Amino acid sequence: SQKIEQNSEALNIQEGKTATLTCNYTNYSPAYLQWYRQDPGRGPVFLLLIRENEKEKRKERLKVTFDTTLKQSLFHITASQPADSATYLCALRPRSSASKIIFGSGTRLSIRP
Amino acid sequence: KAGVTQTPRYLIKTRGQQVTLSCSPISGHRSVSWYQQTPGQGLQFLFEYFSETQRNKGNFPGRFSGRQFSNSRSEMNVSTLELGDSALYLCASSLAWVGQENTGELFFGEGSRLTVL
Repeated sequence: SQKIEQNSEALNIQEGKTATLTCNYTNYSPAYLQWYRQDPGRGPVFLLLIRENEKEKRKERLKVTFDTTLKQSLFHITASQPADSATYLCALRPRSSASKIIFGSGTRLSIRP
Repeated sequence: KAGVTQTPRYLIKTRGQQVTLSCSPISGHRSVSWYQQTPGQGLQFLFEYFSETQRNKGNFPGRFSGRQFSNSRSEMNVSTLELGDSALYLCASSLAWVGQENTGELFFGEGSRLTVL
């Protein structure tokens, strides 16, 4: 069956360290993969997109990698801050004709001062 | 530029009733997608509309329906509400149809939180 899996357990990181979140997918061929941030009671906010032919993308303190062999994307936040605490969602768009953006269930990240 | 607007933000219904949720996309955006978010299931895709046509549909029963108007505003309707329909319903807009080659960036509204008693 098709799945997008993110670590369901919350990730607790000390301020200043690098937070690394994982997204694994099964039985999908993604055209691209996205990461969103969601704060409690709010809608998700788009952060980064990485296409199937790209290995790495950066934006300020954020970095995303995409390994189509491992079927995995890693999302890194360097020099993490308490304001980075939120739930982070991985999403992908399959390369099928019946395409739609599919989301993982998200990982809650907590940065402690 | 105004963001995606969803109304109402909160509503309480009883089993068997029906509900209509509204979404106004960002000006110029022609695609509207709807998602249901629950703690156990995460974000589940409901449907996507582009130019008043439903382009894609998720695995939800026929009680869930939607439509899009010529001004790109969209509504979704849930009939014969069940307790399990309690969720945050999120609307997202994008410039083009998700199936086209574009960034696919979705702009979400704040959601409509539905509680079914």
